[in-house]
Amino acid sequence: SAVISQKPSRDICQRGTSLTIQCQVDSQVTMMFWYRQQPGQSLTLIATANQGSEATYESGFVIDKFPISRPNLTFSTLTVSNMSPEDSSIYLCSAGGHANEKLFFGSGTQLSVL
Amino acid sequence: AQTVTQSQPEMSVQEAETVTLSCTYDTSESDYYLFWYKQPPSRQMILVIRQEAYKQQNATENRFSVNFQKAAKSFSLKISDSQLGDAAMYFCAYGSGSRLTFGEGTQLTVNP
Repeated sequence: SAVISQKPSRDICQRGTSLTIQCQVDSQVTMMFWYRQQPGQSLTLIATANQGSEATYESGFVIDKFPISRPNLTFSTLTVSNMSPEDSSIYLCSAGGHANEKLFFGSGTQLSVL
Repeated sequence: AQTVTQSQPEMSVQEAETVTLSCTYDTSESDYYLFWYKQPPSRQMILVIRQEAYKQQNATENRFSVNFQKAAKSFSLKISDSQLGDAAMYFCAYGSGSRLTFGEGTQLTVNP
């Protein structure tokens, strides 16, 4: 199983600022994903982080708001840009192999925007 | 688009008893996977059990087992001999190409 380290674990940010969340996997993985979990709700996929190319975003999420990097097979970042209180959520990184292999999750980043 | 429905927002069970969490899904694909994840207050998403759609045999992991009814698109989770540590939010998920679609979750309480 893959061990995923995600940081920061929580942050409180001011409206209009940006926060970058880091996700580090202890082994090379094919797939990395970023999810958002709004308060009291389920997980929603933001995007697939592609190594060496632009991320693939789901409907309702755009690169200007959620830029993602994936410079190698073990690391990815998600930036939440120009934050508003509506961005207050848990953001989770996940990683795994191809074709519905087990996906493992980081411990999440609890973001509060004032 | 695939959808996953968990019709029980909350469930409770007595310690050592058995509880079943329900999940239904909708898809037009024939090759997919189904998962149950557990999320305790720590926020960590923990994989409980995984089922391949092409397998008729129900998956089992210790005290956790599933009842997979492909024609009915139903995927329930049975927890036997419930323990206090089982208390958490449980999410059913549909997987296709490693992308997961989650249900709304069922909050499980275990009473001593």
